[in-house]
Amino acid sequence: QVQLVQSGAEVKKPGASVKVSCKASGYTFTSYGISWVRQAPGQGLEWMGWISAYNGNTNYAQKLQGRVTMTTDTSTSTAYMELRSLRSDDTAVYYCARDPSNARGPVYFDYWGQGTLVTVSS
Amino acid sequence: EIVLTQSPDFQSVTPKEKVTITCRASQSIGSSLHWYQQKPDQSPKLLIKYASQSFSGVPSRFSGSGSGTDFTLTINSLEAEDAATYYCHQSSSLPPTFGGGTKVEIK
Repeated sequence: QVQLVQSGAEVKKPGASVKVSCKASGYTFTSYGISWVRQAPGQGLEWMGWISAYNGNTNYAQKLQGRVTMTTDTSTSTAYMELRSLRSDDTAVYYCARDPSNARGPVYFDYWGQGTLVTVSS
Repeated sequence: EIVLTQSPDFQSVTPKEKVTITCRASQSIGSSLHWYQQKPDQSPKLLIKYASQSFSGVPSRFSGSGSGTDFTLTINSLEAEDAATYYCHQSSSLPPTFGGGTKVEIK
């Protein structure tokens, strides 16, 4: 069965960086992409970016360009999302989600990780 | 970017009632519209892809329709376990965007 298991909750100070991992199992990792979606407390869903696990191509949300980097390690079937220069409004639950597209960009999100709460507070 | 407007924002419904949620896109998106269910303190789950294709394992009471700019998620004969927030999502053009969500409460 497809599973995406994310790393644990983080508390960071403003200006710091956070790196969230997402370990995939139950499918051929390189046949799919991974999208990252975040959800601020009590708010809706916001797409952050997509990475192809096949060739490492990425698409990032424009508002996060320059602060976010998405990578994969195919040897361990793990995707990573690093967000830098954290601000208080980056406080959110961060989800990784499997995306059937591994080439042209995000399509839809068929399996989701359990979420990682990142709290940014001084 | 494409704006998705869901209505209603909130709906209180009795079990076995039919629920209809609409999602309107700010421009035509063909059938590149997907629906998710998110229960409290859980991750979202895919219900419907490409406007009307049911995802594997999703109960048959969930169905989707529409194309272009107007889409509908229908829950036939609502069950207590369907209490959740429902989101639409478009993948027609970058960036992918989500609707604001519709919270369905069981009376």
